[in-house]
Amino acid sequence: AQKITQTQPGMFVQEKEAVTLDCTYDTSDPSYGLFWYKQPSSGEMIFLIYQGSYDQQNATEGRYSLNFQKARKSANLVISASQLGDSAMYFCAMRDYNKLIFGAGTRLAVHP
Amino acid sequence: DAGITQSPRYKITETGRQVTLMCHQTWSHSYMFWYRQDLGHGLRLIYYSAAADITDKGEVPDGYVVSRSKTENFPLTLESATRSQTSVYFCASSESVVSSTDTQYFGPGTRLTVL
Repeated sequence: AQKITQTQPGMFVQEKEAVTLDCTYDTSDPSYGLFWYKQPSSGEMIFLIYQGSYDQQNATEGRYSLNFQKARKSANLVISASQLGDSAMYFCAMRDYNKLIFGAGTRLAVHP
Repeated sequence: DAGITQSPRYKITETGRQVTLMCHQTWSHSYMFWYRQDLGHGLRLIYYSAAADITDKGEVPDGYVVSRSKTENFPLTLESATRSQTSVYFCASSESVVSSTDTQYFGPGTRLTVL
């Protein structure tokens, strides 16, 4: 069965610094997709970035990048130049055909 | 407005009452999903729909009923609400589930409290 593990319940970072949120996954499928979502205190789930298992390069979207290490089955989210508005819960997820399987999430606090 | 909306955003009800949560999307996505988010469990799939009149169970379907008569709407009904159904409910949609690239986009959520 597919599984997503986020081992950091909480992280904090100083404003303008970079931070890495860890995500490891387990799957036997050769083709899979990994997603990161942000959930601010207002509650909505905001799609941030996607990485496909066959993608040759790490995904990037603005200040977000995904450090994809296939052999280690890790897909860590890197947020560069953190902003106060980045304070939120962050979820890593994997597609399992008809649904997304989510990790438990990491709560990020950005300090001024 | 374009996107995916849910109503109501907040709902308080009593045990045994029937409650319907609404979901509407304007992207004409074929697939729609209902998840619930609980502390310690993350998000879990309740039901999903591949198209109008096609629905199927997810991970935690007991106590819920769905229908999809129109592509854009996917209501979720709690036939007889229980306290264990107190949760935050998210509706999501995607164009397809064929490719691993198919991203699911989420609505703002409905916070349901069952007293």
